[in-house]
Amino acid sequence: KAGVTQTPRYLIKTRGQQVTLSCSPISGHRSVSWYQQTPGQGLQFLFEYFSETQRNKGNFPGRFSGRQFSNSRSEMNVSTLELGDSALYLCASSPRTGVGNTEAFFGQGTRLTVV
Amino acid sequence: DQQVKQNSPSLSVQEGRISILNCDYTNSMFDYFLWYKKYPAEGPTFLISISSIKDKNEDGRFTVFLNKSAKHLSLHIVPSQPGDSAVYFCAASNYNYGGSQGNLIFGKGTKLSVKP
Repeated sequence: KAGVTQTPRYLIKTRGQQVTLSCSPISGHRSVSWYQQTPGQGLQFLFEYFSETQRNKGNFPGRFSGRQFSNSRSEMNVSTLELGDSALYLCASSPRTGVGNTEAFFGQGTRLTVV
Repeated sequence: DQQVKQNSPSLSVQEGRISILNCDYTNSMFDYFLWYKKYPAEGPTFLISISSIKDKNEDGRFTVFLNKSAKHLSLHIVPSQPGDSAVYFCAASNYNYGGSQGNLIFGKGTKLSVKP
């Protein structure tokens, strides 16, 4: 089975621009979550999508948004980029069916640098 | 307010010895705990998990212990190998946390160095 695929792996953007990151979950997984990793804050939860619906959202400003498509692929968008948005953005997929807890499997991440 | 804490930022162990990584949590609603291993510039790799109805789970060289009364869990690696050198993250979740499917709350990680 192919793992979680995130594209692109690296991205450099200018302050004020917007960016879209993509995530393809493991086949059969319906839940996709996004996390931001920075040296100071560690891994922080952004949002989770399940069956095209946002199920949970972390404490991030509205500039951070996402969506999930019918094939479970997900995108996250960051608008009006700030220098502080520079981070490793990680996507995780889970077979979560709505009952119980299951492990989340991570992609390799997208390294975003805002200059 | 950190709900999951890994108080040791780093740990150094000799090859062949036991590595013990610790994690504390404050939210008594957490009912599922996981350990991830992470190399630089890569995503975290799932290692082992434990449900709150258990106090121990073992998988090869990795054992996780959960002490609910102390809100403490630990990951034991025996024997430690140089390839185990990485950052280890503890994570917790609750199915009903936030009234939704739940999300993973991560500690800030412990960097393990296993010396040959």
